[in-house]
Parts: sequence; structure tokens; C-alpha cells
Amino acid sequence: GQQVMQIPQYQHVQEGEDFTTYCNSSTTLSNIQWYKQRPGGHPVFLIQLVKSGEVKKQKRLTFQFGEAKKNSSLHITATQTTDVGTYFCAGPSFKEKSSGDKLTFGTGTRLAVRP
Amino acid sequence: DAMVIQNPRYQVTQFGKPVTLSCSQTLNHNVMYWYQQKSSQAPKLLFHYYDKDFNNEADTPDNFQSRRPNTSFCFLDIRSPGLGDAAMYLCATSRRTSGGPEQFFGPGTRLTVL
Repeated sequence: GQQVMQIPQYQHVQEGEDFTTYCNSSTTLSNIQWYKQRPGGHPVFLIQLVKSGEVKKQKRLTFQFGEAKKNSSLHITATQTTDVGTYFCAGPSFKEKSSGDKLTFGTGTRLAVRP
Repeated sequence: DAMVIQNPRYQVTQFGKPVTLSCSQTLNHNVMYWYQQKSSQAPKLLFHYYDKDFNNEADTPDNFQSRRPNTSFCFLDIRSPGLGDAAMYLCATSRRTSGGPEQFFGPGTRLTVL
């Protein structure tokens, strides 16, 4: 079945350093979504990328969708303690009837920031 | 504010004692999902509804059932909880569009099984 892997699994950075998480899907995706889950919290939607090679920015966060639409990355410039949490990528499943409503979540990257 | 609400936030049950978790939404979304999330893992989809059309995941145990009496409410019933069912249960909603819509998550119910 469809698999979505993320690396690294965990990263610990000094505040002010940059951070990148990479997402790789076993199948081509029509779009990729990114979610952030704070410790003890629930996933919160950050962004959706649709076009091949698309790049979107949200303040210090830069999201990229690969040319082949099978991979994506999230880069945070100059991390802050508020960036702490787990970042998940997610792509839609289209294997079966009604499955277009479903997302396959990546394995997640947990970010810790030393103040 | 439009939102996804889950009750209770924390639930303690005994091994084998049935438990029901509830989710309500004011977003008027036609798709509702139940996920199970264990520590340091990604959310795992248990099932979802498109309106009243129920879609079970192949690996969801029979111990887990769901009801959606109307657009706003959805329930997760665990008929005989085992120790392995202790987890965070997340409800989410989305508005069906082509290409996989964003999902809005509730705060979750943390289930403890004694």
C-alpha cells in the first residue's frame, strides 16, 4: 500500500538554527499537505501544495513539492521555541472508491529546540 | 467560532468495559474521521464517513464501531477495550473536494485502560 516516510525521525536544534524535514511517498501524489502537532496537542493544518515544483512560504517556513510529486520538504529558518512539535506531511489516498477523502500521514519529524 | 469538539478530553475505563467517545462539529463538513494515535506515532485512520456512507479501514479491529446519527455528530464505540487500545483518539472533519481536502482536528480524547 501507499507509504509516506519522513526523515529525520527526530531533530534537536539550538534556537536560531535552521531545520528541514523531508517527506517521501511511494506513490505520486495529487497534492501534499503539512500539519503541525504541538506536544499534547492535535494536528493543525499548515499548508497544501498542488503543483509540481511548487514552493510556498509562510513567514520563516518554506514548503516545497517535488517535480515528480512524490516528495516534499519543510524548511524552518532560524527556529524558535514556538516551533517545537511534530511535523507531519500527508497525501491523499486514491486506491478505492471514497478513498479520495482519506489522507496517508507521514511518519512525522519531531523537532526540539534548545533555548 | 466553527470548530470540532470532542468529549470527554480524558477517559478512564476498565479492561473490557465498553466506552463511547463523542465528536461534534459546527463546520457543516460532510466528511468525518476517527483516528487512533499512540505515542510518537502518526495518526492511524480507523474509519471515516462521507455523509452517512461509512468506510472502514481493512485493519480496524471489530472491537471498534462508529455511528453518525447526523451531520454534526459522530461517535466511536470501543466494545471491549484492551490495554493496547490506550491511546489518543482524534476526530477530524473535512469538506469533500477533489484532490484530498485539508482536515480539521478536534483536541482529542486520551483513553486510559486499567
